[in-house]
Amino acid sequence: NAGVMQNPRHLVRRRGQEARLRCSPMKGHSHVYWYRQLPEEGLKFMVYLQKENIIDESGMPKERFSAEFPKEGPSILRIQQVVRGDSAAYFCASSQQNTGELFFGEGSRLTVL
Amino acid sequence: EDKVVQSPLSLVVHEGDTVTLNCSYEVTNFRSLLWYKQEKKAPTFLFMLTSSGIEKKSGRLSSILDKKELSSILNITATQTGDSAIYLCAVNAGGTSYGKLTFGQGTILTVHP
Repeated sequence: NAGVMQNPRHLVRRRGQEARLRCSPMKGHSHVYWYRQLPEEGLKFMVYLQKENIIDESGMPKERFSAEFPKEGPSILRIQQVVRGDSAAYFCASSQQNTGELFFGEGSRLTVL
Repeated sequence: EDKVVQSPLSLVVHEGDTVTLNCSYEVTNFRSLLWYKQEKKAPTFLFMLTSSGIEKKSGRLSSILDKKELSSILNITATQTGDSAIYLCAVNAGGTSYGKLTFGQGTILTVHP
């Protein structure tokens, strides 16, 4: 039973490029969350999605960031026109139901040059 | 703004020692408090606490919530080198999403043989 799968594990982008991070939740899980971990800081909530719906995006920056969780395929976190401050580890988590017991992926580490 | 503070930030012990990790919170509309263990990669779920004074236990790990003091402790007895990790405390503060968590900065535990 595969866990939460994230890819790529490491991504390097130059300023102004786009970054796309993918997350496949655990089998049977329809709730997906994205968190960001900046250096020396704790995990910060970004967005909560269910299939085809964004439920809560209160932690997502208003510009350049977007997330989706289509009917088929993985959830995508997209960052347009990346800046150095976007360098961080982006963690995806999933749950079977709307509970706090989240199963995390190993994270995607974005480095912006 | 919701806030979770953990102490100590780091702790070094020897195998066999007992450790107590602390977590305090200031949130509106508290719903639950959770503990996670992060070993270099994905955080893994340990406990979820919703009721004050009831201890949750799993092997050598146990945790208790004190809603009056707005705090929780995580105890690890007879520590082993495999317990070395970052221990994360998180709180869910209501709303539509049970998985929208506010995390503390973590306690780095190092257990020497």
